Amino acid sequence: KQEVTQIPAALSVPEGENLVLNCSFTDSAIYNLQWFRQDPGKGLTSLLLIQSSQREQTSGRLNASLDKSSGRSTLYIAASQPGDSATYLCAVNRDDKIIFGKGTRLHILP
Amino acid sequence: KAGVTQTPRYLIKTRGQQVTLSCSPISGHRSVSWYQQTPGQGLQFLFEYFSETQRNKGNFPGRFSGRQFSNSRSEMNVSTLELGDSALYLCASSYRSGRPKETQYFGPGTRLLVL
Repeated sequence: KQEVTQIPAALSVPEGENLVLNCSFTDSAIYNLQWFRQDPGKGLTSLLLIQSSQREQTSGRLNASLDKSSGRSTLYIAASQPGDSATYLCAVNRDDKIIFGKGTRLHILP
Repeated sequence: KAGVTQTPRYLIKTRGQQVTLSCSPISGHRSVSWYQQTPGQGLQFLFEYFSETQRNKGNFPGRFSGRQFSNSRSEMNVSTLELGDSALYLCASSYRSGRPKETQYFGPGTRLLVL
């Protein structure tokens, strides 16, 4: 059974710092991995989608990496801003079912 | 292009009642998935509909059901509500269904409170 874990559950970082969010999964047979952002009480916004054959994806200040063999993905945020404060969730897709981690709640301190 | 819309945004019900939630996908998208999000369990997959057919189903009791119409709009129904059904219900749409899953676009959710 696929399990997705995100540690830490919460993180506070001063503005301007670079940071890394972690995601681990137990079954490496995935089709892709996706990182989402969720603002309080809102839906999810897709940030990056990494196919199983890819190693990383970049969008602006965000870079996501995928290591299927070790069951890990990281989301790197460069030069953090207060607007980056949100909950970040990773999700793995297999057999047309998406399994989500419980997220990391990120707070950027002004 | 309009995003995914969900109605109603907020709902209060009492135990034993039933509820119907609605989701309108992005124009042209034929796949609609439903998720339940709670603080304890996180985000869990309920089911997916594609071209009016249920393609996948998560591990939820039969009280949770859904359907999809010919215009791709989808409804989710929960019967005999329990306190534990209080959650944010999210729907997501994508153009296709199948492997590899493409990016899903999420709606703002319906927050259901069961008293």
